[in-house]
Amino acid sequence: NAGVTQTPKFRVLKTGQSMTLLCAQDMNHEYMYWYRQDPGMGLRLIHYSVGEGTTAKGEVPDGYNVSRLKKQNFLLGLESAAPSQTSVYFCASRSSTAKQTQYFGPGTRLLVL
Amino acid sequence: AQSVTQLGSHVSVSEGALVLLRCNYSSSVPPYLFWYVQYPNQGLQLLLKYTSAATLVKGINGFEAEFKKSETSFHLTKPSAHMSDAAEYFCAVSEGSGGYNKLIFGAGTRLAVHP
Repeated sequence: NAGVTQTPKFRVLKTGQSMTLLCAQDMNHEYMYWYRQDPGMGLRLIHYSVGEGTTAKGEVPDGYNVSRLKKQNFLLGLESAAPSQTSVYFCASRSSTAKQTQYFGPGTRLLVL
Repeated sequence: AQSVTQLGSHVSVSEGALVLLRCNYSSSVPPYLFWYVQYPNQGLQLLLKYTSAATLVKGINGFEAEFKKSETSFHLTKPSAHMSDAAEYFCAVSEGSGGYNKLIFGAGTRLAVHP
């Protein structure tokens, strides 16, 4: 099992550009999550999904959109990137029977100039 | 909403010394609690978790944590630090139920281990 994978690993964007971050998991997990990590702030939840075709807002959803068209994939989109979105983005997934244990991907480092 | 406080953003210990990383949570009901470790340029790895069974929880790499309801604490300890323990450690508490359950993270504590 590859676990949770994220694409790309690193990206530089200019303000106003758009991009999509891809998260894939091969553990057949129902729930998936997108977080951002900023220095001194831990991880903050952006959006999450409780199943294929279903998404919900987290703590910091503004400026992001998500889609879960397939159970194994969870996409995070930035329609018009801003410097405030410079961060490290982590995806996680969880089984419905795993007592809330989330499994994390390696992260995507995004720099918005 | 729940919150997690990690006292000390940076902790430095000597190799072989006791490691103590502090975590306090706010919750009116017994929560699920987690410690994750993040090595440089990597994702988060689960160290251990408390899920309302034994209050002393043992994890990987010799770490353990004790759930103290009266103190709303879940401090992480290791008797003897190793150089390879240098990393950032995150405490988290679960919030919500079923599929809408989420993790609320503390700000993290960076552990440095010196010879």
